[in-house]
Amino acid sequence: RKEVEQDPGPFNVPEGATVAFNCTYSNSASQSFFWYRQDCRKEPKLLMSVYSSGNEDGRFTAQLNRASQYISLLIRDSKLSDSATYLCVANPYGQNFVFGPGTRLSVLP
Amino acid sequence: DTEVTQTPKHLVMGMTNKKSLKCEQHMGHRAMYWYKQKAKKPPELMFVYSYEKLSINESVPSRFSPECPNSSLLNLHLHALQPEDSALYLCASSQDTRGSQFFGPGTRLTVL
Repeated sequence: RKEVEQDPGPFNVPEGATVAFNCTYSNSASQSFFWYRQDCRKEPKLLMSVYSSGNEDGRFTAQLNRASQYISLLIRDSKLSDSATYLCVANPYGQNFVFGPGTRLSVLP
Repeated sequence: DTEVTQTPKHLVMGMTNKKSLKCEQHMGHRAMYWYKQKAKKPPELMFVYSYEKLSINESVPSRFSPECPNSSLLNLHLHALQPEDSALYLCASSQDTRGSQFFGPGTRLTVL
């Protein structure tokens, strides 16, 4: 079983839609979690850190469920510019980042 | 200054060449990383430096040799690479190994 798993998609949604991605992790020692977005042929950019029960930043909400070992990302009112690959990352305490395979999102006009 | 810079942006090299990739950050971060990313795949960790000491080497072939001259700089020396080493090489830094990582724009490497 992979350490961090994501549905690769693609998720094709219309502008204005709400879309949610889930990510599961296998290492229960993971203490911190992150969502990154990556545009084609660009570097990953930090979208959100998820340290405790979750957090919200504008149209984006991340939730952490330690009991079930998953984190989610909710995007409300999708924009064309949200089209990207979303990478889920777990960071087992004191160890290195473990990236999920990424979920591809296309927001359609 | 909140960015990580990398040079060169693109590099084409033959299998017998020796080249170096460079990475720099001025955020006072004490952890720096090298990743390799192939198309449509997530970044794969290669090396981690924490407080200028190599702390993780993810079984990377010896034709890749990292160097951390000081807390702001990270190099990756390349020698006798193979065509399958062609990829995007990303540098990142973070406050420490537990924190958010900030990535540079990468060096797109092609090995002929």
